[in-house]
Amino acid sequence: SAVISQKPSRDICQRGTSLTIQCQVDSQVTMMFWYRQQPGQSLTLIATANQGSEATYESGFVIDKFPISRPNLTFSTLTVSNMSPEDSSIYLCSVTGAAGELFFGEGSRLTVL
Amino acid sequence: GENVEQHPSTLSVQEGDSAVIKCTYSDSASNYFPWYKQELGKRPQLIIDIRSNVGEKKDQRIAVTLNKTAKHFSLHITETQPEDSAVYFCAAMFQGAQKLVFGQGTRLTINP
Repeated sequence: SAVISQKPSRDICQRGTSLTIQCQVDSQVTMMFWYRQQPGQSLTLIATANQGSEATYESGFVIDKFPISRPNLTFSTLTVSNMSPEDSSIYLCSVTGAAGELFFGEGSRLTVL
Repeated sequence: GENVEQHPSTLSVQEGDSAVIKCTYSDSASNYFPWYKQELGKRPQLIIDIRSNVGEKKDQRIAVTLNKTAKHFSLHITETQPEDSAVYFCAAMFQGAQKLVFGQGTRLTINP
């Protein structure tokens, strides 16, 4: 399975600010996925990021709030913009393996005050 | 729409007993069903998966069964141990959108 590194692992942020989360994979992957896990909840797909094209956002998520970059086949960033306490969550980067299985990074735990 | 229902939300069993978690899905075209285990403060880890061309798959103490006609699949853990305590998530691949949709999760507690 791919090794997926995320940073920051955790952060405490002030309301109204923005934070960019980085995801680095040790192999080239076509698709990268960003999930959100709110406290005590399941995993919800935010968007799918393909290299060289615009990210595809799920219902309820918009580019202005969660801009995504995918500059190459091993790296992606997710920005959480104009944060509010409701954005306090774990944000997880993920990629698919050779057999189509999904693997997750360690996650980035955001707390918005 | 794309939906995965998971039951129960919490499950408590005695060490050594079996645990069963069930999921149903809405898309009859789904063909991939993984299960993840998430320990406190850690990332979800894939523990077993099944594809629609088989009805059952086993890996030591864990097994997954799939009933495509009824659109449900289940996780079975036998001879449970304290280290099995975690939150378990089922998921289904929705073919049209090529995305994995997760169930709500089951918090499994193994009592010594």
